[in-house]
Amino acid sequence: HVQLQESGPGVVKPSETLSLICGVNGYTISRGYYWGWIRQPPGKGLEWIGSMYHSGKTFYNASLKSRVTLSIDTSQNQVSLKLTSVTAADTAVYFCARFDYGDLYSLDYWGQGTVVSVSS
Amino acid sequence: QSVVIQAPSLSGTPGQRVTVSCSGSSSNIGSNVVSWYQHLPGTAPKLLIFLNNQRPSGVPDRFSGSKSGTSASLAISGLQSEDEADYYCAVWDDSLNGLLFGGGTKLTVL
Repeated sequence: HVQLQESGPGVVKPSETLSLICGVNGYTISRGYYWGWIRQPPGKGLEWIGSMYHSGKTFYNASLKSRVTLSIDTSQNQVSLKLTSVTAADTAVYFCARFDYGDLYSLDYWGQGTVVSVSS
Repeated sequence: QSVVIQAPSLSGTPGQRVTVSCSGSSSNIGSNVVSWYQHLPGTAPKLLIFLNNQRPSGVPDRFSGSKSGTSASLAISGLQSEDEADYYCAVWDDSLNGLLFGGGTKLTVL
């Protein structure tokens, strides 16, 4: 059974960098699939941030690409998100999820999400 | 603003059949497969439909998906109170080279 768990600071100051980690249990990231992040601002819908393969191949949301970096640590079996120069508009629940790119094109396993507020 | 359009809200009564729709374009729904997600506040979104009309194990057959041209639909038959949730479609967009979510539809069971 695949389980994902997000972790990171709940509050980030404006202009600073948001950093989150997604730990994966029940599946070894280096075996396959893309792994990435989706967010939901308060009162709004889901927004895909980006997804990464263990080889380094990465897809990013074009609107966030200049500020986002995804990385994978296969030794820790985890995926990381860094979002720079945050503003209040980056306040959201951040989810990590497994993405079946190239085959089923669906997000089949999700974490419970972690709330991040951008505030001074 | 999302380029995959969903009606923001929908309502139905128990036992009724309702349809959630997504409207896209040739670069997304018109050329790629659609998935659907159910999201209850405070929980992880749940995959309901993949490959336009396939259900993962454990998803009741009351949920069904279809696609025609640049539109896709999720039908829920025998509506139950626990179906009250937000529903999102998602599709790869070849022009953006990224995954797009529809704006989401809030389903209320009256």
